[in-house]
Order: sequence, then structure tokens, then C-alpha cells
Amino acid sequence: RKEVEQDPGPFNVPEGATVAFNCTYSNSASQSFFWYRQDCRKEPKLLMSVYSSGNEDGRFTAQLNRASQYISLLIRDSKLSDSATYLCVVTPGVRANNLFFGTGTRLTVIP
Amino acid sequence: NAGVTQTPKFQVLKTGQSMTLQCAQDMNHNSMYWYRQDPGMGLRLIYYSASEGTTDKGEVPNGYNVSRLNKREFSLRLESAAPSQTSVYFCASSGSSGFSYEQYFGPGTRLTVT
Repeated sequence: RKEVEQDPGPFNVPEGATVAFNCTYSNSASQSFFWYRQDCRKEPKLLMSVYSSGNEDGRFTAQLNRASQYISLLIRDSKLSDSATYLCVVTPGVRANNLFFGTGTRLTVIP
Repeated sequence: NAGVTQTPKFQVLKTGQSMTLQCAQDMNHNSMYWYRQDPGMGLRLIYYSASEGTTDKGEVPNGYNVSRLNKREFSLRLESAAPSQTSVYFCASSGSSGFSYEQYFGPGTRLTVT
């Protein structure tokens, strides 16, 4: 079983739509969670960290469900510029020697 | 402030050739990392360096060696390239010796081994 699993998509949504991605992780002891964004043929960039209480940054909301071992990303009022691949990232611990990336979920926002 | 830089951007090698991928950061970060990204596999950690003078294996270290030359620079060496090492290689750095802080990535090196 993979450490981190994501639906690869693609998700094709119209501008203005709300879209949600989920990501499941296998290690119940995982400590830190992130969403990164990767544009085509570019490097990944941090979108947001995911806290136990959930967090919001503008149109983006991230949630963590430790009981079911998944994290989610909600994008409201989608913009064309949101088109990218969204990577779920999980770390086993603060000083663990491995950082696990999901394969990414591809989002295309259509005019 | 250039962030994380990598050279070269593209490289084609023949099987058995060697090469070194260079990475440098100007953010005074302690930790640096090398990843490879393959279709359908996600990013996988090859090696990391928690601080100057230390290096440790990640998930897929076989066939690679690394050198933390100083605080700024972290190089990845392929001693005898194989077609299975065809991939996109990303270097990253972070401001903590742990993994719970943001990682900043370089633009990547696209390597093809024929």
C-alpha cells in the first residue's frame, strides 16, 4: 500500500466552481501535512500547511481527519490560474528521514 | 535572492557515464534534499542533508552519492548512469533540520539516460 494516495484526476471544472480533493495516508503516526502546487514542468511550491483544526487561506480550505487518515483541499470560486497539479505531502514525524508525496491530482479550470 | 538553483537544466547521458548535478541555495537553510519525480510515482527522496557535514539516505538512494560541500551547496552524483535513472531531479532546501517546515524547490534537472 502506498504511503500517500490521491485521485490523479483530471478534474475539469468551470470557472467559479467549487472543487475538493482528498488524500489518504497509511501511517497513523504521521505528524505533518501539506498541500503543494505544481505547474506543468515546474517545481512544486507550498500551497498551505494542514493543521489539526483545519485552516483557510482565501479561497482555499484544508482539513485533516486523523480518525479516517485523510486530508482534503477545497477550492472555492475556481480561477483559470488554479489549473495545476496539487500534491499531498505527509511526514511521519518532525525529524523523520522521509517525506512522502502523493502522485498529485490534476485540476483544469475551464473558461 | 535566487532561492534554490540547479545546474544543468537538461542532460542526456549514455548508459555507464557519470555526472554530477549541482544545487545551491542562498536562503541560509540548514537542510537540503534531492528528489526524483517519475510519472505515476510522485516525488521520492533520494538523499538529504539535515545540516552541513551530514548526509542520510532517503527512500531511493541506490545508484547515487551526495556531497554537502558547504552550507549552500549539495551535489548529487550518478557514478554509472542507467536508463532507470531517467527522471526529473529536484533539489530542495528548508530552514529547519526537521521535515515539518516549508521546503523550497529548485527548477529541476531533466535527465535522460539512453
